[in-house]
Amino acid sequence: KQEVTQIPAALSVPEGENLVLNCSFTDSAIYNLQWFRQDPGKGLTSLLLIQSSQREQTSGRLNASLDKSSGRSTLYIAASQPGDSATYLCAVRNFGNEKLTFGTGTRLTIIP
Amino acid sequence: SAVISQKPSRDICQRGTSLTIQCQVDSQVTMMFWYRQQPGQSLTLIATANQGSEATYESGFVIDKFPISRPNLTFSTLTVSNMSPEDSSIYLCSVVAPGGYEQYFGPGTRLTVT
Repeated sequence: KQEVTQIPAALSVPEGENLVLNCSFTDSAIYNLQWFRQDPGKGLTSLLLIQSSQREQTSGRLNASLDKSSGRSTLYIAASQPGDSATYLCAVRNFGNEKLTFGTGTRLTIIP
Repeated sequence: SAVISQKPSRDICQRGTSLTIQCQVDSQVTMMFWYRQQPGQSLTLIATANQGSEATYESGFVIDKFPISRPNLTFSTLTVSNMSPEDSSIYLCSVVAPGGYEQYFGPGTRLTVT
């Protein structure tokens, strides 16, 4: 059974700093991994999708990496802004299954 | 991509009643997914809905409690039956965009049961 963990559970950093969010998963036979952002009381916004054959994906100030062998992914946010404050979730899809298994989330606060 | 809408956006319901949540997608999709997010928790898959067949439920979720309809390729409903305060959650529907791999989510329905 796939289990996904995110550390830390909460993170506060001053505006302008670069930061890294971590995601680990127990079953390395993944099809893809997706990072989402969730604002309080809202739905999920897809940030980046990494296929199992890829090592990283970039979108603007965001960069996500994937290391299947170690069961880890990181989301790097450059030059953080107050608008980046949200909960960040990673989710894994295994082969043969369209279901996503979600991590526990990291609540990020950017301090102006 | 896929644009998903849900109705209602929020509701407050009394214990013992039922609520039906609607999910509409702007494109035809094979599978639609229903997730639950309990307060302070991450998302848990309730069931997968295919058009023209019975929904597939995850462990811990049953059809009598969460009946699902999927009348066509762009629409689905989830009913939360005989509600109790423990059903207070955000309910989200989700799809994989046609021809793609990325999963998209609706804005969610925030349910409070009193």
